[in-house]
Amino acid sequence: EAGVVQSPRYKIIEKKQPVAFWCNPISGHNTLYWYLQNLGQGPELLIRYENEEAVDDSQLPKDRFSAERLKGVDSTLKIQPAELGDSAVYLCASSFSQADIQYFGAGTRLSVL
Amino acid sequence: QKEVEQDPGPLSVPEGAIVSLNCTYSNSAFQYFMWYRQYSRKGPELLMYTYSSGNKEDGRFTAQVDKSSKYISLFIRDSQPSDSATYLCAMRDNTDKLIFGTGTRLQVFP
Repeated sequence: EAGVVQSPRYKIIEKKQPVAFWCNPISGHNTLYWYLQNLGQGPELLIRYENEEAVDDSQLPKDRFSAERLKGVDSTLKIQPAELGDSAVYLCASSFSQADIQYFGAGTRLSVL
Repeated sequence: QKEVEQDPGPLSVPEGAIVSLNCTYSNSAFQYFMWYRQYSRKGPELLMYTYSSGNKEDGRFTAQVDKSSKYISLFIRDSQPSDSATYLCAMRDNTDKLIFGTGTRLQVFP
């Protein structure tokens, strides 16, 4: 069974440019999460989806970040415009439900120059 | 003060050593406790999952939870170079949100 797939693995952009990350969760997993992991830190939740509904986006900086999960499967996280401080690893995770074990993808490492 | 505190290390031990990794927490609402292992440039993978106070063993790994002291530990016996990774403790609150520690970087040298 395939795990959580994220792309791209690495992305280098200049500040003020837009960027998008894509996540394909494990088949059958209804809950999808986007996390931000800064260097030397643990992951921090940005947004959680139950199917196509965003049920917890309190930590998502909505002035520049947006996310969508159309059809309740794949998800996209976008930053526009990117800032230097956005350089980090963006992790996607999925689970059967919010109370179940979360499985993580390998992440997208973003560098903003 | 962070809800979950974890010594960032790095921790360097010789092969075969017993490793002890620890986290403390402040939120009494945490009921589920996890340890994730994260290799360089990979996502975290679940190692251990516990609910109640006490010990849980899985091969060379033992997870220990002391809710009265708000303290959890992960012990690795007979450590191997392949155990070299960052170990993240994580806790689930009553909203099912996962709160992670900062991670402890472990290096096991041959």
